[in-house]
Amino acid sequence: EADIYQTPRYLVIGTGKKITLECSQTMGHDKMYWYQQDPGMELHLIHYSYGVNSTEKGDLSSESTVSRIRTEHFPLTLESARPSHTSQYLCASSGTGYGYTFGSGTRLTVV
Amino acid sequence: GQSLEQPSEVTAVEGAIVQINCTYQTSGFYGLSWYQQHDGGAPTFLSYNALDGLEETGRFSSFLSRSDSYGYLLLQELQMKDSASYFCAVPDSNYQLIWGAGTKLIIKP
Repeated sequence: EADIYQTPRYLVIGTGKKITLECSQTMGHDKMYWYQQDPGMELHLIHYSYGVNSTEKGDLSSESTVSRIRTEHFPLTLESARPSHTSQYLCASSGTGYGYTFGSGTRLTVV
Repeated sequence: GQSLEQPSEVTAVEGAIVQINCTYQTSGFYGLSWYQQHDGGAPTFLSYNALDGLEETGRFSSFLSRSDSYGYLLLQELQMKDSASYFCAVPDSNYQLIWGAGTKLIIKP
């Protein structure tokens, strides 16, 4: 079944650690996105990609990096986790239409 | 700049009809989308309007007026499971979505 998967679902990590959040989609979508969202709040774009070897920065990109080596895979790396990174991270993809398909998200807590 | 405005919260009664409004200011316009997000969940795509008028999908309808830079989501025969946040969004010239802050829909029995 075509879908978009995020792992881990929940993560608690110490300050200063390096972490990678995984995102994979099986829909063959060219465009992929990472968003950060606090509970009940709006979505903030962190990074996006138009295809393989394409990555662009969004509004909140300064403390993270992404890569797009394969169409289906778009991991997000936080080089040094801080308590301010505590949030939900949502990965999404889109094809030729305007609708986005979101993964279930990763709830990150930095202690 | 580009921005969208929608009410932060709307309350309605089970079985009733509710309308969630969205006004937008964009340098170019390519359509208006609506997403639903339950607490703790991820947004799910509901509808997309590129042209003026009403589009109906089951209990949900979405309306667009480009001349008024305005749209709304209409939910009929409200069910408790419709309690969620609803986001309007418009794509920019690079197909990146610009999001509203979301409207929390509270449904009372």
